[in-house]
Amino acid sequence: DIQMTQSPSSLSASVGDRVTITCRASQSINIYLNWYQQKPGKAPKFLIYAASSLQSGVPSRFSGSGSGTDFTLTISSLQPEDFATYYCQQSYSTPYTFGQGTKLEIK
Amino acid sequence: QVQLQESGPGLVKPSETLSLTCTVSGYSISSGYYWGWIRQPPGKGLEWIGSIFHSGSTYYNPSLKSRVTISVDTSKNQFSLRLSSVAAADTAMYYCAREMGSGYNWFDPWGQGTLVTVSS
Repeated sequence: DIQMTQSPSSLSASVGDRVTITCRASQSINIYLNWYQQKPGKAPKFLIYAASSLQSGVPSRFSGSGSGTDFTLTISSLQPEDFATYYCQQSYSTPYTFGQGTKLEIK
Repeated sequence: QVQLQESGPGLVKPSETLSLTCTVSGYSISSGYYWGWIRQPPGKGLEWIGSIFHSGSTYYNPSLKSRVTISVDTSKNQFSLRLSSVAAADTAMYYCAREMGSGYNWFDPWGQGTLVTVSS
């Protein structure tokens, strides 16, 4: 199985900050990398596919980059509704695997 | 607008079989896509369980494969999960979702989830 490791596990930031979350794969996955946002008590919401392609309706302050083993999710200017847990997911091979999550908290 | 809704018992005894159904509205399963199950233990991360195509073709997470069966009922626009010989470690929120993408596969949308507790 491909292991996905996110860093940091948690992050405190303020509204308006620029934040970056990192996801590393245990082997090269090309750009087969997706991102999700999950708020407490809710199902995950799909944000980005193929490492950098924004799902329709997702605000442009979200962006993704990377290829191979190293990927990032960046939020350019945090909004109050962005405080949540973020997960990466690889779709290079099955079993699909997710990162352990990065919890973004208000400072 | 595609919507998914999980249903099934919230409490299952150890060694018994967990059975859940996902009802899809706003889209006909027969039209295409794979449909998947993902679970999340309380306070933990996400684990893909398996997926099914409308034809019945399935693929499963090898870590659960010996205990999992996913089936589809296109006449009811539903797909189902059965997980046998459950233990406390199977306690989790279970989500169903549509699997999209050709290669760059992702899950969207998701159902709201249903909490299944394994306890005697």
